[in-house]
Amino acid sequence: DAGVIQSPRHEVTEMGQEVTLRCKPISGHNSLFWYRQTMMRGLELLIYFNNNVPIDDSGMPEDRFSAKMPNASFSTLKIQPSEPRDSAVYFCASTFCGYTFGSGTRLTVV
Amino acid sequence: GIQVEQSPPDLILQEGANSTLRCNFSDSVNNLQWFHQNPWGQLINLFYIPSGTKQNGRLSATTVATERYSLLYISSSQTTDSGVYFCAAADGNSGYALNFGKGTSLLVTP
Repeated sequence: DAGVIQSPRHEVTEMGQEVTLRCKPISGHNSLFWYRQTMMRGLELLIYFNNNVPIDDSGMPEDRFSAKMPNASFSTLKIQPSEPRDSAVYFCASTFCGYTFGSGTRLTVV
Repeated sequence: GIQVEQSPPDLILQEGANSTLRCNFSDSVNNLQWFHQNPWGQLINLFYIPSGTKQNGRLSATTVATERYSLLYISSSQTTDSGVYFCAAADGNSGYALNFGKGTSLLVTP
């Protein structure tokens, strides 16, 4: 199994641009999570899906953030428009029992 | 949501030493996991341990759910053990969505 696959690994974008982060969970894992990691706030849960259905999006910082899971093998996290304060490492994780994290996307908004 | 507190925040060990990391949580848990974030940023699941004791090589973990704490033991530490150790917990209200502590930053010196 290739594990949880995230793309891109690094993204540098200008303020105001749209950013789309992608995640492919492990086959058979029925829950998927998006986390954001910053030095100030640590690891924060943004949203999670169970069987492709969004269950809790209370961690999404504001309306500029949206997430979708159109099928069991793909999820996206979109930021539009992006702002410098969105700079962080964004992790996707999937689970059947214990979490498996992807390698993360390091986002820099300038 | 459930609060997770880890101690100590920082730890420096000489290679070969043993250590104990502590995680306190504020409520009953149905899910508790320990992770290691290596210097390259990858988050690795060490243990899924909502209760009881588990061992994996030089690492072991114990969760005493009734007293709301978990311990991670590292024996005969090696320089490759360096990184940040996170404890994360979930109560029954949030499904498997984990809340993370701020971590213990471990440096093992030769």
